[in-house]
Amino acid sequence: LAKTTQPISMDSYEGQEVNITCSHNNIATNDYITWYQQFPSQGPRFIIQGYKTKVTNEVASLFIPADRKSSTLSLPRVSLSDTAVYYCLVSGDDYKLSFGAGTTVTVRA
Amino acid sequence: NAGVTQTPKFRILKIGQSMTLQCTQDMNHNYMYWYRQDPGMGLKLIYYSVGAGITDKGEVPNGYNVSRSTTEDFPLRLELAAPSQTSVYFCASSPRTINTGELFFGEGSRLTVL
Repeated sequence: LAKTTQPISMDSYEGQEVNITCSHNNIATNDYITWYQQFPSQGPRFIIQGYKTKVTNEVASLFIPADRKSSTLSLPRVSLSDTAVYYCLVSGDDYKLSFGAGTTVTVRA
Repeated sequence: NAGVTQTPKFRILKIGQSMTLQCTQDMNHNYMYWYRQDPGMGLKLIYYSVGAGITDKGEVPNGYNVSRSTTEDFPLRLELAAPSQTSVYFCASSPRTINTGELFFGEGSRLTVL
């Protein structure tokens, strides 16, 4: 199971772009990278998923370099409602989907 | 479409009592998981199941038991509750294509053991 490392916390201001990098040096060939968002007192919610290069959806972009040993979640023009904990999850053939400590993102006015 | 439903949402137990946290999903997902989250911490995997009749331990299984008699239901049993089991418990399910790792979570069950 690939171990992930993320920053513990990040601060930003409304309207700015937030980039969170996750390290996963021992990622396996079949592993995908998925990011989740969690608000207080709620379960995590799927944000975006990718295997390589770049993936974009209506809320975020995910950048994965060629060696796949890291990935960067990009949140464009954040608002106060984006204040949450963000988790990077690497999963593949191993059914044990375990979460790391996550990154607490605080957006200030 | 209800998704993943957990009951109860809140519960207070006395030390040594037992209880079952219920989890039901209506998405026909084969994979189901139980996590616990302590205050200010990440999610730790307790047990998981890859299909009816098949369960396996996660990172922190001690003090818990699970069963999976149907695709829809994945109850978590706490035997002899201890204060260390005070936590928020989340159930999740995932579609057959497990490589994608897309988990659908319930709203959580907050358990306090006094």
